[in-house]
Amino acid sequence: AQSVAQPEDQVNVAEGNPLTVKCTYSVSGNPYLFWYVQYPNRGLQFLLKYITGDNLVKGSYGFEAEFNKSQTSFHLKKPSALVSDSALYFCAVSPPSGGSYIPTFGRGTSLIVHP
Amino acid sequence: DTGVSQDPRHKITKRGQNVTFRCDPISEHNRLYWYRQTLGQGPEFLTYFQNEAQLEKSRLLSDRFSAERPKGSFSTLEIQRTEQGDSAMYLCASSLATGTEQYFGPGTRLTVT
Repeated sequence: AQSVAQPEDQVNVAEGNPLTVKCTYSVSGNPYLFWYVQYPNRGLQFLLKYITGDNLVKGSYGFEAEFNKSQTSFHLKKPSALVSDSALYFCAVSPPSGGSYIPTFGRGTSLIVHP
Repeated sequence: DTGVSQDPRHKITKRGQNVTFRCDPISEHNRLYWYRQTLGQGPEFLTYFQNEAQLEKSRLLSDRFSAERPKGSFSTLEIQRTEQGDSAMYLCASSLATGTEQYFGPGTRLTVT
């Protein structure tokens, strides 16, 4: 069975500083990995995904994530945080075969960017 | 931009009543998913459709829950004899059959009193 861990319930960062939101996963085979963001009173929005290829993937709003197979991690990063980045971030993993692409989500990490 | 829409956005019901939620996916998306999200948790998969066929159901989907997608377009999720434990945000998402990322609606927040 696949699983995702987001070890931090909350991450605090000052505006302009780099940010990292951590995610580790467990799945058989090569995973499909995703990051989604959820703003208050809105649905989840897709940020980026890793399927195969370059370990560093770039996504929306200046976010990127690095796939590390040996550490089974897929940390979300941004070089310079904005106050508007404050939201709830979810990491998700899908099994690599079967075609259903049903993801298992982590519990979420609340990112708070201080002015 | 016609994204995924859900109706209603909020529903308050008394225990034992039946409720039905509707989801309208992005028009060209073949796949439609239902999730449940509670406070402090990520979305939990309930069921998914490819076109009108319901292909997979989670063990979370008790026999009080039923979902349909009769014409392969919109979908409904019905909960019969609601219980307080059913209180949650119910999310709908859609995707292309060959795609992997999903596009989520705003959710329906259910409160069972």
